[in-house]
Amino acid sequence: GEDVEQSLFLSVREGDSSVINCTYTDSSSTYLYWYKQEPGAGLQLLTYIFSNMDMKQDQRLTVLLNKKDKHLSLRIADTQTGDSAIYFCAERPLKTSYDKVIFGPGTSLSVIP
Amino acid sequence: DGGITQSPKYLFRKEGQNVTLSCEQNLNHDAMYWYRQDPGQGLRLIYYSQIVNDFQKGDIAEGYSVSREKKESFPLTVTSAQKNPTAFYLCASSNLGETQYFGPGTRLLVL
Repeated sequence: GEDVEQSLFLSVREGDSSVINCTYTDSSSTYLYWYKQEPGAGLQLLTYIFSNMDMKQDQRLTVLLNKKDKHLSLRIADTQTGDSAIYFCAERPLKTSYDKVIFGPGTSLSVIP
Repeated sequence: DGGITQSPKYLFRKEGQNVTLSCEQNLNHDAMYWYRQDPGQGLRLIYYSQIVNDFQKGDIAEGYSVSREKKESFPLTVTSAQKNPTAFYLCASSNLGETQYFGPGTRLLVL
């Protein structure tokens, strides 16, 4: 079946790096996404990676994709208190009748000053 | 300013009442979606629409209804048949085959 898994909580000290991990099940997935949700707000697209890539870097964000293990990670360098939020991993399977996106449960990142 | 708006930000429902959540987008996207978010869970798809005057049930459509009379609008009605409506509701839109973008959400509470 289709499923995306993430750990629910992560706590880091300000200035350290954060690594949020995600596993997915559908090997046909074309795109994998990271969204950020601040309290009481909608989801903001942070970054995405196409399935034929291994890595994508965008300023403080680094996405690593291990297709063999179906594992995706998001690294935030020099984590700041403003990075405290819920981070959702999501996959888009190839073989669906519509633009289906499957979301993980979200990882709540707490940054300790 | 291009984007997706949802209203109201907070909505209160009494027992037996139907309520309607608004979602409007000016991104000229063809597809629109409604998700429900509960604490500790991922987003679950309620309904989606890929084109005007057409929509399909998602994974948890029971107790909800939608319409898509205009490209920019996709209102969601939470009916009295939905026995556990308290949740955060998120609307999204996209062009077909492209990334989904989200509105700010509506929190629905039951009185």
